[in-house]
Amino acid sequence: DGGITQSPKYLFRKEGQNVTLSCEQNLNHDAMYWYRQDPGQGLRLIYYSQIVNDFQKGDIAEGYSVSREKKESFPLTVTSAQKNPTAFYLCASSIASGGAGELFFGEGSRLTVL
Amino acid sequence: SQQGEEDPQALSIQEGENATMNCSYKTSINNLQWYRQNSGRGLVHLILIRSNEREKHSGRLRVTLDTSKKSSSLLITASRAADTASYFCATGVRGSGTYKYIFGTGTRLKVLA
Repeated sequence: DGGITQSPKYLFRKEGQNVTLSCEQNLNHDAMYWYRQDPGQGLRLIYYSQIVNDFQKGDIAEGYSVSREKKESFPLTVTSAQKNPTAFYLCASSIASGGAGELFFGEGSRLTVL
Repeated sequence: SQQGEEDPQALSIQEGENATMNCSYKTSINNLQWYRQNSGRGLVHLILIRSNEREKHSGRLRVTLDTSKKSSSLLITASRAADTASYFCATGVRGSGTYKYIFGTGTRLKVLA
């Protein structure tokens, strides 16, 4: 079935460690997005990519990094520079070329810093 | 910065009643979308309304858009316990060669059986 797969679903990290969250889609979508959601809050945009080998910073990119080497994959690295990384991370994709399409979301990855 | 603000933040109603949620945004948009999120899950797209549309229906959902007031509303008619979830508006914003979606803060809806 077509969709977006995020892994791992739960992740625990010690302070000072980098962790990478995986996001894979088989929808043949050009655009992919990473959002952060804190408890009881809305979604905040971290990074987005409209095409392979290109990506843009969102509203809260500090302490995060991404790559887009393949159309299907958009991994997010939470670095030790991110001061408060405990959150629910959501990956999404959409058909680009002008936007105006709906976002398809993965089931999320919950990161907890110990 | 988040563009959308929604109210109320939380809403509790009885099954069968209608639920109305409002969303306000700050800048020009190409479209506005509504999403639903069950607790601890990803978001699911409900409906999209383009900037040149004023009203749209989908099943028990009715969305309105007032670009002069930069606001939208989502009406769920004849609510069911299964409608219990958080609802978010998202605005599609075109930048310099890029396109992104900005989400509101969400409304937590609880439908009591």
